[in-house]
Amino acid sequence: DAKTTQPNSMESNEEEPVHLPCNHSTISGTDYIHWYRQLPSQGPEYVIHGLTSNVNNRMASLAIAEDRKSSTLILHRATLRDAAVYYCILGTSYDKVIFGPGTSLSVIP
Amino acid sequence: SAVISQKPSRDICQRGTSLTIQCQVDSQVTMMFWYRQQPGQSLTLIATANQGSEATYESGFVIDKFPISRPNLTFSTLTVSNMSPEDSSIYLCSVGGGEGYYEQYFGPGTRLTVT
Repeated sequence: DAKTTQPNSMESNEEEPVHLPCNHSTISGTDYIHWYRQLPSQGPEYVIHGLTSNVNNRMASLAIAEDRKSSTLILHRATLRDAAVYYCILGTSYDKVIFGPGTSLSVIP
Repeated sequence: SAVISQKPSRDICQRGTSLTIQCQVDSQVTMMFWYRQQPGQSLTLIATANQGSEATYESGFVIDKFPISRPNLTFSTLTVSNMSPEDSSIYLCSVGGGEGYYEQYFGPGTRLTVT
């Protein structure tokens, strides 16, 4: 399975943008880049996914490097509710989701 | 999207006993998954359960310990058998996968404590 590398933890001030990095140098051509997050005491929730082009949705933006070996999840304006563990995961639609340790994001009021 | 419910939400069990966790989805889905999340850890996939076939278990998990049923496209159960304190975890089911479906949806989890 292709692996991802994320920082263990990050901090952000409330109402500021947050850039969560993910390295995936062994990504294959068919692998999508998925992001999930897990709020405290909840199950994970889907955030966004992309293949080659940058993607935007109501929750976040996903910026994918041209060589696809890294990507960045962008929260445009962090709120306290965005404090969670964020997981960057590679796979296709048929794949099971394998979670790494993720990045624990703290949002400071 | 899919809405997933799990029963029970939490339980305290004695060692040596078994607990069956139910997972109900509000729509028909092909693939269902069971995860374990030990305290302070990330999620670990236990098995994939597709309707009409035997569950596929990940390395380190066996059917005798975690038997799974998948009787139809909206329901699955996971049994934690002969429990020990090391089985104290949150157990989550999720649905998704299949052609064109890139999102998985997760249930709220079942918090199990074994004494």
